[in-house]
Amino acid sequence: LAKTTQPISMDSYEGQEVNITCSHNNIATNDYITWYQQFPSQGPRFIIQGYKTKVTNEVASLFIPADRKSSTLSLPRVSLSDTAVYYCLVGAGPAAGNKLTFGGGTRVLVKP
Amino acid sequence: DADVTQTPRNRITKTGKRIMLECSQTKGHDRMYWYRQDPGLGLRLIYYSFDVKDINKGEISDGYSVSRQAQAKFSLSLESAIPNQTALYFCATSDFEGLGEQFFGPGTRLTVL
Repeated sequence: LAKTTQPISMDSYEGQEVNITCSHNNIATNDYITWYQQFPSQGPRFIIQGYKTKVTNEVASLFIPADRKSSTLSLPRVSLSDTAVYYCLVGAGPAAGNKLTFGGGTRVLVKP
Repeated sequence: DADVTQTPRNRITKTGKRIMLECSQTKGHDRMYWYRQDPGLGLRLIYYSFDVKDINKGEISDGYSVSRQAQAKFSLSLESAIPNQTALYFCATSDFEGLGEQFFGPGTRLTVL
């Protein structure tokens, strides 16, 4: 499974856009990029998944450059409730069992 | 009702005791997983199961065993608990099709004294 590197922590303010970049230099051809959100003492929650280019859903966007060696999760107009740990995961999708390797994650603190 | 439930939610036990953590899901998914999370760290995969007859070891299976009693039930056992197995344990499920999103339970906080 590809190793990922992401910032340990980030601070932001309500209403701002938060961008978290994840590096995954040894990503394999079959690997997908998936982001999860975790609140304290809760299980992680799926945010978004992509393979290349840009993916957008109702809560976030995921930007993946052509070489796929990095990806950026964008959270538009964050609120206090977006304070959480965000995990970037890289691995093969459902056909390979969707086995996930969670790194340390990025702790995002949204301030008033 | 929650789609993925775990029992117990909290457990304190002593070194050497056998402990079973249970997971049930109502999502109809074939794939189920057990993870542990240590304070301030990410999740690590213990075991996973693609269907009732398929069980696979994850990164850190030593000291653990599992049982897939039915499509909806996946249990994790600590045969002889030790203090460094004190952690938060999560069960998750996923469907074969689709994006492969995993759905996590609320977790079981286990303390081994």
